[in-house]
Amino acid sequence: GDSVTQTEGQVTVSESKSLIINCTYSATSIGYPNLFWYVRYPGEGLQLLLKVITAGQKGSSRGFEATYNKEATSFHLQKASVQESDSAVYYCALSLNSGTYQRFGTGTKLQVVP
Amino acid sequence: GGIITQTPKFLIGQEGQKLTLKCQQNFNHDTMYWYRQDSGKGLRLIYYSITENDLQKGDLSEGYDASREKKSSFSLTVTSAQKNEMAVFLCASSTRTHSGNTLYFGEGSRLIVV
Repeated sequence: GDSVTQTEGQVTVSESKSLIINCTYSATSIGYPNLFWYVRYPGEGLQLLLKVITAGQKGSSRGFEATYNKEATSFHLQKASVQESDSAVYYCALSLNSGTYQRFGTGTKLQVVP
Repeated sequence: GGIITQTPKFLIGQEGQKLTLKCQQNFNHDTMYWYRQDSGKGLRLIYYSITENDLQKGDLSEGYDASREKKSSFSLTVTSAQKNEMAVFLCASSTRTHSGNTLYFGEGSRLIVV
């Protein structure tokens, strides 16, 4: 079936350093993937960070970027310079435009240290 | 904007008990979802509903019932609570079914089985 893989359960990065959180997907059903990054900040509910529904396109929000790489079946989340306020749990998610519901990865907890 | 309200925030019950979680949304969204969040396992879909009185099973529906009596509300019942299913339950809604639509989440309800 369709699935999303996030290999890092937790990542610790120093403030102002760059960040990559990995996400790969497998889409066995018919249809084109729609890819999402959701974020849960401490004390808040899960919310959309960015999404991309066309292969090759880049989504961006709050300084984060992710490019939908169809060949590599990846949607890695990147930021050039992280801040302490970026500390949160990040979830990658996949749906197909043929009508499947969103499937989520296991989440990556980002801790930004001074 | 809108909001998704989940009640109760904490649900404590005894093993074998039937327990119900409730969710209300004022986005006027058609589709509503119940996801279960376990530590290290991401979010897994239990049930979703594309309109009033509709119910569709997700990946984890066994042991649960759901009810969508009104467009704005979606309830989830744990038919016989077990200690191994203590988790956070997240309700979400979206404008239409699946595809590239953003999910809007409630803050979650934590199930505790004693």
